[in-house]
Amino acid sequence: SQKIEQNSEALNIQEGKTATLTCNYTNYSPAYLQWYRQDPGRGPVFLLLIRENEKEKRKERLKVTFDTTLKQSLFHITASQPADSATYLCALERLTGGGNKLTFGTGTQLKVEL
Amino acid sequence: GAVVSQHPSWVICKSGTSVKIECRSLDFQATTMFWYRQFPKQSLMLMATSNEGSKATYEQGVEKDKFLINHASLTLSTLTVTSAHPEDSSFYICSARGQGSGSYNSPLHFGNGTRLTVT
Repeated sequence: SQKIEQNSEALNIQEGKTATLTCNYTNYSPAYLQWYRQDPGRGPVFLLLIRENEKEKRKERLKVTFDTTLKQSLFHITASQPADSATYLCALERLTGGGNKLTFGTGTQLKVEL
Repeated sequence: GAVVSQHPSWVICKSGTSVKIECRSLDFQATTMFWYRQFPKQSLMLMATSNEGSKATYEQGVEKDKFLINHASLTLSTLTVTSAHPEDSSFYICSARGQGSGSYNSPLHFGNGTRLTVT
């Protein structure tokens, strides 16, 4: 079956350090991978999208890599701040007969401490 | 741009009653909206795809007679949880792709969710 795995354990890091979150998938051949941020009691907010032919994508302090051989994406936040504390979700798009659908991983909770 | 508004943000209802949740695209038209459900510390699970002017497409295991979806206009989709039971208590979130976005590879814009508690 298709699976998207993110580290279920919370990640605690010190302010100013780089946070690295992992997203692994099996039995997918996604052309696109997306990362979202979700705060408690709120809907997810889109952060970055990376295509299969792109190895790396950056946006301000965020960087995403996509390795289709390893079936893995890494999400980096540099110079992390307490305001970056949230749950981060990766999502893969799959093409089905009923239209394209986005499937989410379980998310990794990040806590940036002072 | 691309704001999705969801209402109510929380609701408490008694077992056996029905609850309607509204999802509106405020500054764009959405021919397709998606309804997700999220249990504590779990991922978003797609329940159904709501299509304007036609029937919704439900994911496997989701009862279409229990979760009624109506997409009456290009800016409004509603989810009605009928004969709610405590096990239906969850966080329900709607989403849509921005106007002009292709169906593929474009990001989703989410509402802020509805916390449903059935007592």
